[in-house]
Amino acid sequence: DAKTTQPNSMESNEEEPVHLPCNHSTISGTDYIHWYRQLPSQGPEYVIHGLTSNVNNRMASLAIAEDRKSSTLILHRATLRDAAVYYCILTWGSNYKLTFGKGTLLTVNP
Amino acid sequence: DSGVTQTPKHLITATGQRVTLRCSPRSGDLSVYWYQQSLDQGLQFLIQYYNGEERAKGNILERFSAQQFPDLHSELNLSSLELGDSALYFCASSVGPIMNTEAFFGQGTRLTVV
Repeated sequence: DAKTTQPNSMESNEEEPVHLPCNHSTISGTDYIHWYRQLPSQGPEYVIHGLTSNVNNRMASLAIAEDRKSSTLILHRATLRDAAVYYCILTWGSNYKLTFGKGTLLTVNP
Repeated sequence: DSGVTQTPKHLITATGQRVTLRCSPRSGDLSVYWYQQSLDQGLQFLIQYYNGEERAKGNILERFSAQQFPDLHSELNLSSLELGDSALYFCASSVGPIMNTEAFFGQGTRLTVV
């Protein structure tokens, strides 16, 4: 499985933007970049995914580097509810599973 | 609410016993995935079914088995349970293979083996 590298933890203040980085230097041309998050005592929740272009949805934005070796999940205004573990995952056509790493634990301070 | 239903929510059983965990995917989703989450191992992929057929297998023990039925619900059977099998078991579903789509996770079944 193609590998992703994320910081173990990050901290943010409420109502400020948060930029969560992910390195995936061995990404190939057909790999999609997915982000999921897991709130305490809950199942993982889909956040966003993309291939080459930046993506926006109601939850977040995904900024993908031009060489695709890294990406950044952007939460535009963090809330206390955004405190969770965020996972950056790569998928490709013949791979039928999401492989979760350790993710980044995001703490949001009031 | 993700639309994925897992039952039961909690299960306490003794070592050596057998249990069955059930998952109903979102309406229209053909793929079902099972994951195990323990404190020391994180989220581990177990197995995936697509429209009734097994598509991918992860680190699933031989004591564990799963199937997906014609109505697309899935069951994960865990037998000869050991203390180390205590974990949260999550089911997820998606419309098709995971490459370019989102998966929806249930709230999990917390299994405690005593």
